[in-house]
Amino acid sequence: DGGITQSPKYLFRKEGQNVTLSCEQNLNHDAMYWYRQDPGQGLRLIYYSQIVNDFQKGDIAEGYSVSREKKESFPLTVTSAQKNPTAFYLCASSRTQGHGYTFGSGTRLTVV
Amino acid sequence: GQQVMQIPQYQHVQEGEDFTTYCNSSTTLSNIQWYKQRPGGHPVFLIQLVKSGEVKKQKRLTFQFGEAKKNSSLHITATQTTDVGTYFCADGGSQGNLIFGKGTKLSVKP
Repeated sequence: DGGITQSPKYLFRKEGQNVTLSCEQNLNHDAMYWYRQDPGQGLRLIYYSQIVNDFQKGDIAEGYSVSREKKESFPLTVTSAQKNPTAFYLCASSRTQGHGYTFGSGTRLTVV
Repeated sequence: GQQVMQIPQYQHVQEGEDFTTYCNSSTTLSNIQWYKQRPGGHPVFLIQLVKSGEVKKQKRLTFQFGEAKKNSSLHITATQTTDVGTYFCADGGSQGNLIFGKGTKLSVKP
């Protein structure tokens, strides 16, 4: 079955460290997205990519970086510049603009 | 920037009662999508509305898109405990990336 896989499910990071969250899809979707979810805040867009080797900043891109070297993969790096990284991170993909998103099961990041 | 406001933030109902969540925007929405997120889970796509005044049904769920394409609603008839979760609306936006409302968290008392 096709789907979108995020790993790890839980991640603990020490202050000052960079960490990379994995997102892989086998749906042959062109577009991929990263959202951050905090309690009471809904989902906020970090980065998105409509095509390989191209990506754009979302509303809260500061302290994050991404790459899109392959259609299937869209990893997110949470850098030490992100002041409040503890959150639930959701990766999503869609066929093209205007179609419904398929979400991964998320990565819960905690700074210790 | 573009925002979608969703109300209420929380709704507690007795099983069997109806439930409605509303999504409003100050500007015209490109299209509206609805998602459901179960506790501890991830959002799951429910439906997309595109046309002005559109109404779509999925079993006990009824989705409406306003005539001016500035508001939308999700109505659940005779709620069940399986309906528990947070319901999000999202605007399709001009560049394809969704702008989500903050969601309505539904709890159902058996």
